Amino acid sequence: QVQLVESGGGVVQPGGSLRLSCAASGFTFSSYGMHWVRQTPGKGLEWVAFIQYDGSNKYYADSVKGRFTISRDNSKNTLSLQMNSLRSEDTAVYFCRRAVDYWGQGTLVTVSS
Amino acid sequence: DIQMTQSPSSLSASVGDRVTITCRASQDISNFLAWFQQKPGKAPKSLIYAASSLQVGVPPKYRGSGSGTDFTLTISSLQPEDFATYYCQQYYSFPHSFGQGTKLEIK
Repeated sequence: QVQLVESGGGVVQPGGSLRLSCAASGFTFSSYGMHWVRQTPGKGLEWVAFIQYDGSNKYYADSVKGRFTISRDNSKNTLSLQMNSLRSEDTAVYFCRRAVDYWGQGTLVTVSS
Repeated sequence: DIQMTQSPSSLSASVGDRVTITCRASQDISNFLAWFQQKPGKAPKSLIYAASSLQVGVPPKYRGSGSGTDFTLTISSLQPEDFATYYCQQYYSFPHSFGQGTKLEIK
């Protein structure tokens, strides 16, 4: 069955960096575009970034452009999100998602001094 | 950027009722619309894609319709497990914007 498992969340100071990972299994990872979506505690969903199935195209929300980088390793069935210059407003649960169907369980990122 | 507006923001209903949630796009998105359900403390669950196609395993009590700018999600015969927050999302163009959510509560 399709599984997406995020990891790498934690507490980081403003201006710091963090790298999230999403381990995919149960499907042909290299055939699907992948997203990162986040949710601020108690708030709605915000789309963050997308990477095409082969990594050839990437798109970002304006709120993270220039600070976050989405990438994938199809040989390891892994999606990543490198987050630099973190701000308090980046505090959220980060979900990875396959296309428009399967979601991971999320990983919490807290940006605080 | 495309703005997605859901209405209502919250809705109270009883077990057995049928409810409809509306999602409006600020420009034509054809049928590139998905609906998601989220329960407290859980990851969202995908319900519908392409405006009206059910995801695998989603019961037909969930029905999506619409195209262009106006879309609806109808849930029939509400059961306790249906009370949750529902989100629409357009994937016609980047950024893939979400609606603000509709919280469905038990009356």
